[in-house]
This record gives sequence, structure tokens and C-alpha cells, in this order.
Amino acid sequence: DVKVTQSSRYLVKRTGEKVFLECVQDMDHENMFWYRQDPGLGLRLIYFSYDVKMKEKGDIPEGYSVSREKKERFSLILESASTNQTSMYLCATRRPTDTQYFGPGTRLTVL
Amino acid sequence: KNEVEQSPQNLTAQEGEFITINCSYSVGISALHWLQQHPGGGIVSLFMLSSGKKKHGRLIATINIQEKHSSLHITASHPRDSAVYICAADNNDMRFGAGTRLTVKP
Repeated sequence: DVKVTQSSRYLVKRTGEKVFLECVQDMDHENMFWYRQDPGLGLRLIYFSYDVKMKEKGDIPEGYSVSREKKERFSLILESASTNQTSMYLCATRRPTDTQYFGPGTRLTVL
Repeated sequence: KNEVEQSPQNLTAQEGEFITINCSYSVGISALHWLQQHPGGGIVSLFMLSSGKKKHGRLIATINIQEKHSSLHITASHPRDSAVYICAADNNDMRFGAGTRLTVKP
């Protein structure tokens, strides 16, 4: 079974703080994704990566950056957290033409 | 207009009822995914299909490529089926619907 883990289930941060969300997968998948999920909007792609040290912007990259130093690890960084970044963050991984496997999600609240 | 539209947004059913959730998409796809999300956040894949019909237990997914439409059916619904069901159009990029919140009452 593919296992995708995320560093925290719940996180509370203050406006202006730097926030790190980490995702680790154990199945040697090339492709990794970060999404945010908001009520009524569905899942929106923030960034994705098809290989180590490679990153591509998704639909809503503003205010975020990512890091992929190792194949199994994909980190999402909020450089200066703002209240409009309060959301559920989900990491996913896949092989091309396969389904996506999601982590359990991190519910981030920015005060 | 969203690339992937789901209906209904919310659905309440009595235990045992037959349930249908619909998904229409406007983009070209290599596959269509149905996902399930229980309270607490975790998302699991139910189906990945590119044509015809797939069945897994009480769940059936169908797709009509020409009409760009897919349906998820649940037969003999049960309270444990209560979840958010999400469809996603896949052409390397995944485009997600907003989800259908299903509540099955005992």
C-alpha cells in the first residue's frame, strides 16, 4: 500500500510567520502535488513536481513556495502566512497514468 | 464556468436508497476519477475509468465520453457511505469538482 504522510494534522500559526508543511511518500513515485481545499471551491493545485529539484506552479501559487530535495519528500512553504491561507492542505502523489494517493491533510489556521 | 461540475452539491438519503451523483466536464481527458473523502480529511480513490462502467461492491461508476459525463451510483446506501464524493477529470493535470456531500440517515 502507498503511504503518504503529512507532518501535522492541525496547525495554528500567526500572521507573518513562516510555515513549513512536509509530505513524505514511500512508493518511489515521481509526481507529487500540493493542493488546498476550501468549501465550495474543491481542490486547487498550488505546486507540483515531476522530479527531484523540479517544481512547477499550479493554479494558485501566489504566497507559496516548494522544495523537493529528495524524491520522497515534498515541502510546501508559506513565506509569510496570511489569514486567507487558512485552509486544508493536501499532498498527493502518483505515477503517470495511475490514480493519485492523498495524505491525511493538514488543517492550517492562521490567526 | 468550472471545468468540472458536480451535482447535487448536497444529498440526503435514507438508508437503503439508490443514490446517483453526476459529474460533467468540459476538458479533454485520459481518465475520470471518483474519490471519497470522509470527515477528518483523508481522500481515497474509488474509481479511475476511461470508458464504460466499473463496479466495486455496492458502488458503480459509469462514463459517457461523447457526452463528457460520468455518474457514481451507490446501491443499498448505508450510513457509513456518508462522505464527500469528488470527481476529477484527468489529462495529466487533475481538475476537481467541488464535491457532493452525501448524508445517509439510518
